[in-house]
Parts: sequence; C-alpha cells; structure tokens
Amino acid sequence: DAGVTQSPTHLIKTRGQQVTLRCSPKSGHDTVSWYQQALGQGPQFIFQYYEEEERQRGNFPDRFSGHQFPNYSSELNVNALLLGDSALYLCASSLFSFVSSYNEQFFGPGTRLTVL
Amino acid sequence: DQQVKQNSPSLSVQEGRISILNCDYTNSMFDYFLWYKKYPAEGPTFLISISSIKDKNEDGRFTVFLNKSAKHLSLHIVPSQPGDSAVYFCAACSSGTYKYIFGTGTRLKVLA
Repeated sequence: DAGVTQSPTHLIKTRGQQVTLRCSPKSGHDTVSWYQQALGQGPQFIFQYYEEEERQRGNFPDRFSGHQFPNYSSELNVNALLLGDSALYLCASSLFSFVSSYNEQFFGPGTRLTVL
Repeated sequence: DQQVKQNSPSLSVQEGRISILNCDYTNSMFDYFLWYKKYPAEGPTFLISISSIKDKNEDGRFTVFLNKSAKHLSLHIVPSQPGDSAVYFCAACSSGTYKYIFGTGTRLKVLA
C-alpha cells in the first residue's frame, strides 16, 4: 500500500520564478493538505483540498495556490518566488469522515525548495 | 503568535530511561492533540493522539498526558530506545477546522 508520495524531492529556483509541486495521497484518502516547514520550525498549514475545492486556508499570500484532481492528487503552485519561500513543503493526506472532525493526516517525505 | 509551543529544542536521555517531551498551547478552542515523530529526509509520522475529553492515552511505550487547565500536554516514552532518536512535534486542532497547528519540535537523542 503506497503511502503519500511527493515530487520532486528537491528543487532549485531563482527569485521571481514559479514552481509546481505534486502530491499523490495515500490509497483510499480523499483529502490533501499542504504545509510549509522552514528550517528550525514546525510545519505551517497552507491549505487543504477536498472534492477538488480549497476547504480551508492558512495565513499565506495569494501567490500560493493549489489544485486537486479527480483522482485526489494535488498540486501546490507558488508564483513570484521569494528567498523566504525556501523551505520543505509537506503534503498530508487524510480520509474525510462525517462522523469525526479529526481526520488523521499522513505525511509525505516533502519537497525541499531552495530559492536563490 | 505561536499557539503551540515546545520550549525545549533538544533533550538527551539514556537508553532504557524515560523520555518526557512537553508542549504548551494557548488556544482554548483546541480539543484534539497529536504527536508526530520526524526522521531526517522523511515526513512526520503519526505517533499518538488524545482528545480533550481524556487526560491520558497509552499506546505501548508511548503515553500522552493532557492537562487542560494548564493547557499542557506531555509525551512519555518508556523505556527509551536509540531508534526513538528523532524530532518530535506536538500538534493541535479544533473541531470543525481542518488544519493542524504544530509546535517547533524537540530533538530527542537517546544515548546507548
């Protein structure tokens, strides 16, 4: 049973460029969340996608956008890259439940983005 | 404003002894708490969770304690093993929201 996979593993971009990161959720999961983890910090919530729509968003500018496909995979897009966008980007998948508000999130290994 | 705080960046414990990792939170709306473990080059792995209706949850060597009045939770690992050496993150969420709020992590080193 494949867990959460992310691509690419590492990425180097320059300021002002755009980047797309990809995530495939764990088999059977329908919800994808994206987090940014800066060096020495905990993961920070960017947004969550369910049924191909953004369901909730954290305190990130509009430069950060996403998409979820019918097969539940997801993309994170970041436009006009800044040096401060350098971080580990984590994708987490979960299964939505009408019974419980708490859906355990399973994380992928992340994509390390470096902005020069 | 850091709503979830892990004030100890690192902790060293001898193999076989107890490891105690602490976490404080400020938002009284949080009602579900989790601990994740992270090895280098891997994503966080779920360890154990606790709902605010409980004050203790056990899973093998891992026990999480919740003190709601103090807004404090702790993770106990007994006995500690070298393979437990990792960064441990505390996370919290509220009913009806979908985001986890993470602390900054505590690096645990278990010495053989």
